Amino acid sequence: GAVVSQHPSRVICKSGTSVKIECRSLDFQATTMFWYRQFPKQSLMLMATSNEGSKATYEQGVEKDKFLINHASLTLSTLTVTSAHPEDSSFYICSASMAGGMGETQYFGPGTRLLVL
Amino acid sequence: AQKVTQAQTEISVVEKEDVTLDCVYETRDTTYYLFWYKQPPSGELVFLIRRNSFDEQNEISGRYSWNFQKSTSSFNFTITASQVVDSAVYFCALRRGGANSKLTFGKGITLSVRP
Repeated sequence: GAVVSQHPSRVICKSGTSVKIECRSLDFQATTMFWYRQFPKQSLMLMATSNEGSKATYEQGVEKDKFLINHASLTLSTLTVTSAHPEDSSFYICSASMAGGMGETQYFGPGTRLLVL
Repeated sequence: AQKVTQAQTEISVVEKEDVTLDCVYETRDTTYYLFWYKQPPSGELVFLIRRNSFDEQNEISGRYSWNFQKSTSSFNFTITASQVVDSAVYFCALRRGGANSKLTFGKGITLSVRP
């Protein structure tokens, strides 16, 4: 099956710092990657859709200057949480769809737990 | 607008019992895809199945089976002879046809299987 990795798996940072999370598709090319946020005991909330070589599309209510997304290659997308604050603490999870086709399955990474002190 | 409803929030069963997780969806599209994902305590979402709107055949994979019924807009998931390792949160999701379209998730069902 398709494998998606995320790094780091867990990060603790001080308020005001920026944190970068990487999402990689290891054995397939992904023209599209998605970034989600999940609070405890809740469902996944889509933050943005990341397309290789173009600007990300953000969901309503998600600050694009706060959550910077870069999709520089067909196997890598990054999410940078800028000037992180305690309310940004959450579980961030990415997914990737294989290039081509119309009904691609999204394969998810293992997630990154962010704790902002 | 698309919507996925998982009315059950928490289910607790004893090992070896069968359990069915319900999923009801709403869409105006004629082409769409339905998914089930498992999220164990580790957090990673594990893909279980994808079904397209033109294929109503039920599917069985080991102890897992899925019942897709367009007439009732349901895509239910049954685990036969449940095991402790089945304990997880299960999400049903829907996406429309077309490249790069978004997944709409249900709220998830927390399944606890007791020994």
